Order: sequence, then structure tokens, then C-alpha cells
Amino acid sequence: GAGVSQSPRYKVAKRGQDVALRCDPISGHVSLFWYQQALGQGPEFLTYFQNEAQLDKSGLPSDRFFAERPEGSVSTLKIQRTQQEDSAVYLCASSSQGAPITGELFFGEGSRLTVL
Amino acid sequence: QQQVKQSPQSLIVQKGGISIINCAYENTAFDYFPWYQQFPGKGPALLIAIRPDVSEKKEGRFTISFNKSAKQFSLHIMDSQPGDSATYFCAARYTGGFKTIFGAGTRLFVKA
Repeated sequence: GAGVSQSPRYKVAKRGQDVALRCDPISGHVSLFWYQQALGQGPEFLTYFQNEAQLDKSGLPSDRFFAERPEGSVSTLKIQRTQQEDSAVYLCASSSQGAPITGELFFGEGSRLTVL
Repeated sequence: QQQVKQSPQSLIVQKGGISIINCAYENTAFDYFPWYQQFPGKGPALLIAIRPDVSEKKEGRFTISFNKSAKQFSLHIMDSQPGDSATYFCAARYTGGFKTIFGAGTRLFVKA
């Protein structure tokens, strides 16, 4: 597709369940980012990949959060033993440059996670 | 730890008026300051951006003013239209081109 694709768009999980959120970036984009957006707030940085390498995971809130991008394209954000505070929209973004030349992030529409 | 502070939280403007949103940052290790626009149910989309060696950038009805010494920058939307009603986020990217952090957002409503 032409843009960043995320699935599922909506996910309801019971507290304690594991969830996996998928991101398919724009073809050829080197950089991939995950953000968490709580209701009425700005996106909060979670982690960043350049190709398959996870260069920054400083924003992951706990060891229950894990992200991977094994072949440098599709990425998965996994949340283990979900808690109610994990309820948010998870945004994926990709960027065409690995070097800091252009700064534009292209966002997907997000995966809305609700933990009951 | 909010490193980019945005105000106001919400803004109501008459059609044809000027919308002004302000941001202040604390860290000097930023090299790129974008503004993103987000409609309900959509991801943010880049609106306009500026680098710290420039004091102003204009694209159509949208202008960024940047004050490096005060560590402040603002978005001005001229001739605001109902279609501009959205949430606007200022952001700052760390030098090195990787991590971008966002303000809390301003919900703009333009009255017809």
C-alpha cells in the first residue's frame, strides 16, 4: 500500500492477556518508530528501529513491552500480561532516511487497545 | 518528563481569524521542530517544520516563528477555516535524526 498500515485497528483484551500489534511501513523506509498515545495526549515515544536494529528502546514503559523488526520491514509490538494502564492508541511511523536529512514521520492510523 | 510544553490546550477561533499555538522546549539537543496535524481516528501528519538556524518559515496560510534564545516556537494559521479544525502537535527531534518527542496537543475549533 501507499501508506503505513497497522493491524488490528481495534483490539479489546482482558487484563493479563498478551497482545501483538503489527506495523507495515512504507516500502523502502529505513526507520520505524512506535509511539503510545493516551486519550487527549500527544504521542509518547516507545522505540525506534533502523532496518532490523533496535537503536532506542528507552520509551518502553516496562519489560512487558517488546518490539521486533526481524527482516527490517514489518514490525510487531508485543505487550505481555496487559494492564488497564496499557489502554491507548499505538501509533507506528516510518521515515525514509536513516540519516537526519529530512525529518518527516509518516504515521499509520494506529491500533486502539482497550484493556478491560 | 515533558520536554516540549504546548499551549493552549484548546482554542476556538472564528472563520477567517488567526490561530496561534505556542511551544517551549527545555533541551538544546534538538535540531528539527515540526508541527503535526491530527484528525480524529487518523495518525498525525506533518504540516510544516523548521530548523533552529531559521527564525521564520511560511507555507501558504501556515507560519512557524522560532526564537532560539527563548527556546520557543509558535504556529500561526492565517485565515483559519473550519477544515483546519483538528488537534495540532508541536514536536522536537533530537540531534542525530532519530527520536522525535511531541507536545500534549492543542485542539483547534474554527467556527463557521
